[in-house]
Amino acid sequence: EVQLVQSGVEVKKPGESLKISCKGSGYSFTSYWIAWVRQMPGKGLEWMGIIYPGDSDTRYSPSFQGQVTFSADRSISTAYLQWNSLKASDTAMYYCARLLTSRNDYGDYWGQGTLVTVSS
Amino acid sequence: QSVLTQPPSVSGAPGQRVTISCTGSSSNIGARYDVHWYQQLPGTAPKLLIYGNSKRPSGVPDRFSGSKSATSASLAITGLQAEDEAEYYCQSYDSSLSGWVFGGGTKLTVL
Repeated sequence: EVQLVQSGVEVKKPGESLKISCKGSGYSFTSYWIAWVRQMPGKGLEWMGIIYPGDSDTRYSPSFQGQVTFSADRSISTAYLQWNSLKASDTAMYYCARLLTSRNDYGDYWGQGTLVTVSS
Repeated sequence: QSVLTQPPSVSGAPGQRVTISCTGSSSNIGARYDVHWYQQLPGTAPKLLIYGNSKRPSGVPDRFSGSKSATSASLAITGLQAEDEAEYYCQSYDSSLSGWVFGGGTKLTVL
């Protein structure tokens, strides 16, 4: 069974760093891309970008370029989303999703989401 | 402002048919990129509902159907049920952004 399991709720202060995870199982982790999607409170879905765990090729949305970093550890089938200095505006639910190609594709399996709250 | 445009809300009585539109442009839907639809029940992650414009993943009832033409797409739900009450999002690929674009979401209320 394909599963993407994300790390738990995070409560952080502005300026702190954070790394959240998305662990894949039930499929060849290095053969699919992982997308990261943000959903701010009461708002819609926003594409942040994608990473290919096979070779760590990454593509960032212009809106998130330089604001976050994607990484992956193939040995433990886990993708990461990282911030060096959080802002209050980073408060959101973050989802990872699996996709087969980097272009004309869709997320067929999604993680359960990680809620990140940034508040002083 | 979302790249793909959806109506903020639609509603229908149980058993009725509703449609949700998704309008794009020449850099996404009009560029022949596929449209996909997700259902997000309250407090849960998005779930793939329709992919490749009109295909249903295993387990999705045939009450849900998708279509696409020119620069727009539609999701139709027939035989409306209370459990269909959710937010629905369309998604495509955009060549200008070189990535996914989403609609703003449509809240379906079952009266």
